[in-house]
Amino acid sequence: QSVLTQPPSVSAAPGQKVTISCSGSSSNIGNNYVSWYQQLPGTAPKLLIYDNNKRPSGIPDRFSGSKSGTSATLGITGLQTGDEADYYCGTWDSSLSAGLFGGGTKLTVL
Amino acid sequence: QVQLVQSGAEVKKPGASVKVSCKASGYTFTSYDINWVRQATGQGLEWMGWMNPNSGNTGYAQKFQGRVTMTRNTSISTAYMELSSLRSEDTAVYYCARGPRKSSRFDYWGQGTLVTVSS
Repeated sequence: QSVLTQPPSVSAAPGQKVTISCSGSSSNIGNNYVSWYQQLPGTAPKLLIYDNNKRPSGIPDRFSGSKSGTSATLGITGLQTGDEADYYCGTWDSSLSAGLFGGGTKLTVL
Repeated sequence: QVQLVQSGAEVKKPGASVKVSCKASGYTFTSYDINWVRQATGQGLEWMGWMNPNSGNTGYAQKFQGRVTMTRNTSISTAYMELSSLRSEDTAVYYCARGPRKSSRFDYWGQGTLVTVSS
């Protein structure tokens, strides 16, 4: 049971938009930056979003992040079949002095 | 280009220890912290701890305190993660990832090392 809660799965059609939520508490999301990762099958996670809403170089602007209070959201527009992957949110927990990840969300592009 | 290259797969018996290496290239090794994250088959990501390659300072998740040791050899730009008293539940892919301590911003990851614990 992860401290950060994500929906197990989401789905949408190609070209559509999807959002993935990540819920935490004041000791983690509420007072620390959130990152988002994409993990394709059999590969290492890839940083998509950091510091709540910043994209590393090379990440298309179809991917966006936001944070409000103790929750964060990843948005993906113009869905492509290549976006099918597991998505994880991550943050630091100040009380636990530990890094945290959500349980992951499997995105299916129908 | 930045690369983190990890050592190969390991098979260990319960109670044994494993030491995974992570060789950095393409940047100044001592300028960025290294974190370790593991993932059991079909499961999510689990943060294990961080190490500062410059000072050698470390911070471990409470779950692994007393069983994990993170070290480095700056002369060969390599970080190490040793996990002792292995049990079957430690079977997982172990990743090293570059990123600041006390954050979740890991911008480069190793390819992963499968550690299998089986009698």
